[in-house]
Amino acid sequence: SQKIEQNSEALNIQEGKTATLTCNYTNYSPAYLQWYRQDPGRGPVFLLLIRENEKEKRKERLKVTFDTTLKQSLFHITASQPADSATYLCALTNTGNQFYFGTGTSLTVIP
Amino acid sequence: EAQVTQNPRYLITVTGKKLTVTCSQNMNHEYMSWYRQDPGLGLRQIYYSMNVEVTDKGDVPEGYKVSRKEKRNFPLILESPSPNQTSLYFCASSLYPGGAQVNEQYFGPGTRLTVT
Repeated sequence: SQKIEQNSEALNIQEGKTATLTCNYTNYSPAYLQWYRQDPGRGPVFLLLIRENEKEKRKERLKVTFDTTLKQSLFHITASQPADSATYLCALTNTGNQFYFGTGTSLTVIP
Repeated sequence: EAQVTQNPRYLITVTGKKLTVTCSQNMNHEYMSWYRQDPGLGLRQIYYSMNVEVTDKGDVPEGYKVSRKEKRNFPLILESPSPNQTSLYFCASSLYPGGAQVNEQYFGPGTRLTVT
């Protein structure tokens, strides 16, 4: 069955640094990979989507890479701010019907 | 305001007592889905619907039912809830989640269910 792993449960970084979150997957070949942000007690909020034929996507301070050979996506937040503190989820889908989410990485940006 | 609403937000019930969690979206989205979120397991898909009267099982459908009689509504039904269904439930919708026009999912605020 599909397995999606996100790097260490918690990641702490200093304000202004770049946060790098990892999403690794096995037994699956997703056509699309999405990243969501989830704040405590709230539903996930969409951030970025990348297709299997795209290597990199950017949006403001966010950057996502997708390596289908390594079966890995990296999510970068540059010039991180305390307001970026949240849990970040990766989600994979092939057909756009069924979605598989990672367990999430909790990011804390320390002022 | 474009949104996905869920009711109730919190529910405590007893084993075996049928319950329904409602989900409604006002964005005219084709696709709707239910997830449960448990510590250490992440979000897992229960059921999804590509359109009215079209529903399919996700990864963890056992013990749940859904219906899609109207485009905007997608209720989740637990006919005989058990303690292992205690969880945080999210409904989501999307204009079109796959193909050339992939779109993001919009999530509701969540329903915290406790079955004793």
